[in-house]
Amino acid sequence: DAGVIQSPRHEVTEMGQEVTLRCKPISGHDYLFWYRQTMMRGLELLIYFNNNVPIDDSGMPEDRFSAKMPNASFSTLKIQPSEPRDSAVYFCASSSLLGPSTDTQYFGPGTRLTVL
Amino acid sequence: AQSVAQPEDQVNVAEGNPLTVKCTYSVSGNPYLFWYVQYPNRGLQFLLKYITGDNLVKGSYGFEAEFNKSQTSFHLKKPSALVSDSALYFCAVRPSTTDSWGKLQFGAGTQVVVTP
Repeated sequence: DAGVIQSPRHEVTEMGQEVTLRCKPISGHDYLFWYRQTMMRGLELLIYFNNNVPIDDSGMPEDRFSAKMPNASFSTLKIQPSEPRDSAVYFCASSSLLGPSTDTQYFGPGTRLTVL
Repeated sequence: AQSVAQPEDQVNVAEGNPLTVKCTYSVSGNPYLFWYVQYPNRGLQFLLKYITGDNLVKGSYGFEAEFNKSQTSFHLKKPSALVSDSALYFCAVRPSTTDSWGKLQFGAGTQVVVTP
């Protein structure tokens, strides 16, 4: 398996622009997580899905952030409009409650977002 | 509410010496405990986990961790550190209650620096 795939790996945009981050989870995994990592705040859980349904979005910082999971193999995290304080590394992770790797989250390589 | 504490921001150790990274937790019910490692510009990688059974868990790259219920700790250890072990280490916990399936609470991370 190719692991969790994220795109783009790097994104540089200007304040006010819309940003869309993409994630393909590991095939067969039924949980998908979006995290944000910064030096100041560490690793923060933004939202997670189970079977494509959002379960907990309490970590989403504000209405400018939205996430969707239209099917089991694809999710997006959108920021509109973007602000400089959104600059961070965004990680996607997936897991399953079944099998020997139950509960183990597998992380993608991350998207480094810079908002100028 | 569940929480994870990693009391040391950074651990310095000479190559060949034992390495210990501390983690304590607070959670209702029996915990599921995890250690992850993050190398520079990479996503988090799973090292090991405790679900049930033997309190000493062995994981990847020669790491092990000991679950201590009375002290609510799950310290990560390696008998002989390598320079290549220099990275950021995260402890994580998930309670075994059904309303928390899938979601992990991560600690703030401990930076390990191994000097030659």
